[in-house]
Amino acid sequence: AQSVTQLDSQVPVFEEAPVELRCNYSSSVSVYLFWYVQYPNQGLQLLLKYLSGSTLVKGINGFEAEFNKSQTSFHLRKPSVHISDTAEYFCAVSDRGAQKLVFGQGTRLTINP
Amino acid sequence: DTGVSQDPRHKITKRGQNVTFRCDPISEHNRLYWYRQTLGQGPEFLTYFQNEAQLEKSRLLSDRFSAERPKGSFSTLEIQRTEQGDSAMYLCASSPRLGQSNTEAFFGQGTRLTVV
Repeated sequence: AQSVTQLDSQVPVFEEAPVELRCNYSSSVSVYLFWYVQYPNQGLQLLLKYLSGSTLVKGINGFEAEFNKSQTSFHLRKPSVHISDTAEYFCAVSDRGAQKLVFGQGTRLTINP
Repeated sequence: DTGVSQDPRHKITKRGQNVTFRCDPISEHNRLYWYRQTLGQGPEFLTYFQNEAQLEKSRLLSDRFSAERPKGSFSTLEIQRTEQGDSAMYLCASSPRLGQSNTEAFFGQGTRLTVV
């Protein structure tokens, strides 16, 4: 079984500041890792994913994440945030079989002008 | 390709009534998933289909819940005798068949259920 812990429930930052959203996971098997974004009353949109290969993955909207196997982490970063990045962010893992997703509790990113 | 479509977007029902939601996946995606998301939480897996076969059900899916995907295309999720605790966003997702390198689940916009 897999589990995901997002260490911060809320992260407030100022516009144009850098941000890091933290994610740790636990699994007894190899997994795929994902970050999704959810805007109010919307479904989830994929930001980026790690399947294999390079541990630094780049996604949409200027986001990137680094897979660290020894620390079982997959933190999301953006060097300069914009007001439009205000949303809920979910880290998720899936096994390589059924590929059902296990999500963290989410981190609410609030951008202040 | 119009993405994953869910209907209705919102549903308000009285406790004890039955409700049914529909999900139309991206065409040719053979995997379809249902998730439930309550306020302030991440989505939780309910069940998934590969083509028309329901391959796994979560323990969250009580006997009052049933899901079908009769022809391997659209899917329905029915909740019988709704309870207030069923109030949540119900999300559907689809993904290509296993083995394709571009592994990704595409989500619909969800059906928000309110039981009063």
